[in-house]
Formats: sequence, C-alpha cells, structure tokens
Amino acid sequence: DGGITQSPKYLFRKEGQNVTLSCEQNLNHDAMYWYRQDPGQGLRLIYYSQIVNDFQKGDIAEGYSVSREKKESFPLTVTSAQKNPTAFYLCARSTGGQGGYEQYFGPGTRLTVT
Amino acid sequence: KNEVEQSPQNLTAQEGEFITINCSYSVGISALHWLQQHPGGGIVSLFMLSSGKKKHGRLIATINIQEKHSSLHITASHPRDSAVYICAGRAQKLVFGQGTRLTINP
Repeated sequence: DGGITQSPKYLFRKEGQNVTLSCEQNLNHDAMYWYRQDPGQGLRLIYYSQIVNDFQKGDIAEGYSVSREKKESFPLTVTSAQKNPTAFYLCARSTGGQGGYEQYFGPGTRLTVT
Repeated sequence: KNEVEQSPQNLTAQEGEFITINCSYSVGISALHWLQQHPGGGIVSLFMLSSGKKKHGRLIATINIQEKHSSLHITASHPRDSAVYICAGRAQKLVFGQGTRLTINP
C-alpha cells in the first residue's frame, strides 16, 4: 500500500453533502498529495502539502479543501461546491516535494455521489 | 506546457509475448516515472529514470533524452501483468499520461 492508508475504499454520498476522505502515512515523509482519476484521463493534482500546516493548490482545487495539522495525516474534503465529485481519489507521499521525488500511492477511495 | 503522451491506449496480447509501451514527453520534463495500476486501483511505482535503462525482473524501462521518449518492456508476459501502466514526467510537478491498459490472455 506504499505506506499509505486510505479509507474507506468505497464511499457513497448524496449530492449536496460534504464528505471527507482519509489519508494517513506512517513513514514520516514530508510531502503528501491528493490526485483525482477519471476514466480515460491521467491523474490530476488536487492539493499537495510539503510541510505541516502548509498546503498548495494543484490543478483542480476548486470544490475541495484539505488540512495538514499532523505530518502523518492529510484529509481531503469534497465539498458540495465540487460540480462533478464522482471519481477515484488517490493519496500519495514522497520524501520531498513535487516532481523531484518518487511518489508512493495509497490504495485509493472510490467516491460515488448521487 | 508540460505534456506526456502514451501509446497504445489499449493493448491485448497472448501469454509469453514481448510487450512494449511507449511514452513521449515535452520539453521541461527531466525524468520519467513508470507506474502500474492494478485492477483494484492501487498504484505501484515501477521505475524512475532520467537516463539509460533500468531492469527489474521481466520489466525493462529505457529512456532517450534527446528524442524525449521512454519505453516500458515486459518480457515473457503473463496474465498477472494485466494492469494499467502509467508514465509520469517529472517537471515542477508530476505530469501524468493517460495510461495504457494491458491485457494478457492465457
């Protein structure tokens, strides 16, 4: 699982509800990432964090929020403002920030909003 | 704009065949990651390379910096190799290709 735990594996929500996806890592790595995967498309970066209490928007941050209060945890909230939230969400970690370091992925959470 | 293009999008082969998946990338990308995504969705990092060739078991990855092209080869393919293979270019951030869905039939 790349040293990352994501839960739950499947999540169902009604439209208009906020939902929080969990991501925990146990390897004391500084950087963590959230990606979204849609059928036929490459992974797209939602948010990333290189240190505790700091995070940066990725390419598709609108409708999402994150927090990084602890090094090991980087939860993602999919808000009701996200127009098309149904997707597969992947969390990743690396020893350093962004593209310069190999990233290790969690098992993913498949979110379905109806 | 940093871009990564993979081909083919889908590939079906018989067990034992030699498999090649290609990845072309744009200026500004300094290295390539090859990733494997299992049917359940989990992603495993296979290789990260910025020059030459790397080998792990039946998997071989090559990169040609001048041509901005990388290939992933699988020798003696097996049904358990069936997965989506993704290349990702290393720039300011990772830039992901769309993936190649590989199916190996017994």
